[in-house]
Amino acid sequence: DTGVSQDPRHKITKRGQNVTFRCDPISEHNRLYWYRQTLGQGPEFLTYFQNEAQLEKSRLLSDRFSAERPKGSFSTLEIQRTEQGDSAMYLCASSPKSLNTQYFGPGTRLTVL
Amino acid sequence: EDQVTQSPEALRLQEGESSSLNCSYTVSGLRGLFWYRQDPGKGPEFLFTLYSAGEEKEKERLKATLTKKESFLHITAPKPEDSATYLCAVAPQGGSEKLVFGKGTKLTVNP
Repeated sequence: DTGVSQDPRHKITKRGQNVTFRCDPISEHNRLYWYRQTLGQGPEFLTYFQNEAQLEKSRLLSDRFSAERPKGSFSTLEIQRTEQGDSAMYLCASSPKSLNTQYFGPGTRLTVL
Repeated sequence: EDQVTQSPEALRLQEGESSSLNCSYTVSGLRGLFWYRQDPGKGPEFLFTLYSAGEEKEKERLKATLTKKESFLHITAPKPEDSATYLCAVAPQGGSEKLVFGKGTKLTVNP
């Protein structure tokens, strides 16, 4: 399978704990995006990388959120001191160039108890 | 502020009953409009990209069209396997790479 992959698929954590998600984009894609989706809503943009550079961040990405893409390949999204409001599906997408199709992974479902 | 509104929120069809989903948008400038299909618990699956008014794209029972203010996803003779949530997204002008999504239309096709 050469699509976008995400790990883990599901994560249950207690309020106040830190969590980290991983995204592996399609191998030839240099652009990587993170979105968050809550029940009944469309995905909301969080951040965007071109190669290893983080070029855009949404105001939704509070100080508790940090994303990295150290070698321009896989990316991680970390949430520190999780809150119940962080419960959502976290989606990763990749594309080969600007305005090209963004291909999404299966998502990581986060539940904060 | 860039906005995407999809209607109806939910649609129930009988197998073979054709219909259309609407996506209206308000953006400072449109770089592209995207349609995705999303099954429960999964990530969005790409369907179409439209770039300019008058453009049309087709795939099996689906046809997407674009005007200056809205896009339609026409479903011809749907089958139960077409049941899903259909998401519309726009890429606004202004240097951002983000997509702005609507809330989606949940389609149910009964056999």
